[in-house]
Amino acid sequence: DIVMTQSPDSLAVSLGERATINCKSSQSVLYRSNNKNYLAWYQQKPGQPPKLLFFWASTRESGVPDRFSGSGSGTDFTLTISSLQAEDVAVYYCQQYYTTPITFGQGTRLEIK
Amino acid sequence: QLQLQESGPGLVKPSETLSLTCTVSGGSISSTSYDWGWIRQPPGKGLEWIGSVHFSGTTRYNASLKSRVTISVDRSRNRFSLKLSSVTAADTAVYYCARPGVIPAAYWRGENWFDPWGQGTLVTVSS
Repeated sequence: DIVMTQSPDSLAVSLGERATINCKSSQSVLYRSNNKNYLAWYQQKPGQPPKLLFFWASTRESGVPDRFSGSGSGTDFTLTISSLQAEDVAVYYCQQYYTTPITFGQGTRLEIK
Repeated sequence: QLQLQESGPGLVKPSETLSLTCTVSGGSISSTSYDWGWIRQPPGKGLEWIGSVHFSGTTRYNASLKSRVTISVDRSRNRFSLKLSSVTAADTAVYYCARPGVIPAAYWRGENWFDPWGQGTLVTVSS
């Protein structure tokens, strides 16, 4: 199985500041035949289901604010929030869909400092 | 707007079988060529993919649960179901169903992201 490891486990950032969450896969999720990274990011607020933010590592889902960005390739990926807003408090998960079984990172809890 | 709703008992006794249904509204379960998923989340913990089902009935399971899991689809009722046998306290979780994303056929490798997800239903395993 591909193990997805996120860092840090939790993060406190001041409003308006940048937040950066990392995700590392135990093997590459880049498919060289199409140069696509099979990685998605989700946001989960308390009491809610996960909400898709990005797929293909950096393709923003419709409706996601552009302060959110996804980057990276191969085994190392980053979710960045350029200017943290109060409504961004949540747990963030990465997920690989490169191969079966689908696996998720353990989650990163983002709070306001 | 497509919506998914999980339903089923919130309490299951140890060693019994957990049974949940995901009803799809606002769209057809046959509208996508990709596989609808079940994912679970133990209280306060992360996400675990359980398995997925195509509208044709083809299934894929997480090997860690495969011996206990059965996922099926009922196209006439626009829903799909999960059965997990011989449950223990470790199976206590919020269970989510979710729609697969749209991946161009040329990029398809067998798995998918999920969007949207149902609200989830908490199943507690306890006597």
